[in-house]
Amino acid sequence: GAGVSQSPSNKVTEKGKDVELRCDPISGHTALYWYRQSLGQGLEFLIYFQGNSAPDKSGLPSDRFSAERTGGSVSTLTIQRTQQEDSAVYLCASSLSPGLNNEKLFFGSGTQLSVL
Amino acid sequence: DAKTTQPPSMDCAEGRAANLPCNHSTISGNEYVYWYRQIHSQGPQYIIHGLKNNETNEMASLIITEDRKSSTLILPHATLRDTAVYYCIVRVDTPLVFGKGTRLSVIA
Repeated sequence: GAGVSQSPSNKVTEKGKDVELRCDPISGHTALYWYRQSLGQGLEFLIYFQGNSAPDKSGLPSDRFSAERTGGSVSTLTIQRTQQEDSAVYLCASSLSPGLNNEKLFFGSGTQLSVL
Repeated sequence: DAKTTQPPSMDCAEGRAANLPCNHSTISGNEYVYWYRQIHSQGPQYIIHGLKNNETNEMASLIITEDRKSSTLILPHATLRDTAVYYCIVRVDTPLVFGKGTRLSVIA
């Protein structure tokens, strides 16, 4: 079946605008993750959804960042009042396993966000 | 997160085995060792993981020392397409935390 799908693949926005990034996980995957990767840097964990449990938001860098996962499937990452330092590739991953151990993450190709 | 230590870069000749080391001296008994790689401009790709025993799959082998304080990822016959950043991650009950990894360059 299809892999993790992210849209848009590229997003250019002006400083101060809000943006929404979308992630369609692999069908049947109960866990969903958001990461971001700034140019030349490693991956930074943002947020984790697992089934109906409360999401782990410990990686969100500020209250301008939020995410939802509707119906246990599609997720939207929203960044309000974007800043230039928000420019990065935003990566989504999903996993089949119900727990955090012994699982494999499947990543999408990411959304390249550029804040001018 | 400094649970793992990897060399920043390595070279490997095409067709030879690539041996990527990882130190995780503070690993606890129930933490798994995971390896992912990221080819330029793509999302990370799962390679292999293990707890205590050595593991092998179609992509690679994972050798974990008996004291579990270090491990080695082995790509038996490296190709140019294996050029990527390789991440060694130790975790349990937490989302994956990626460090800087090892940049492997496979040279023709």
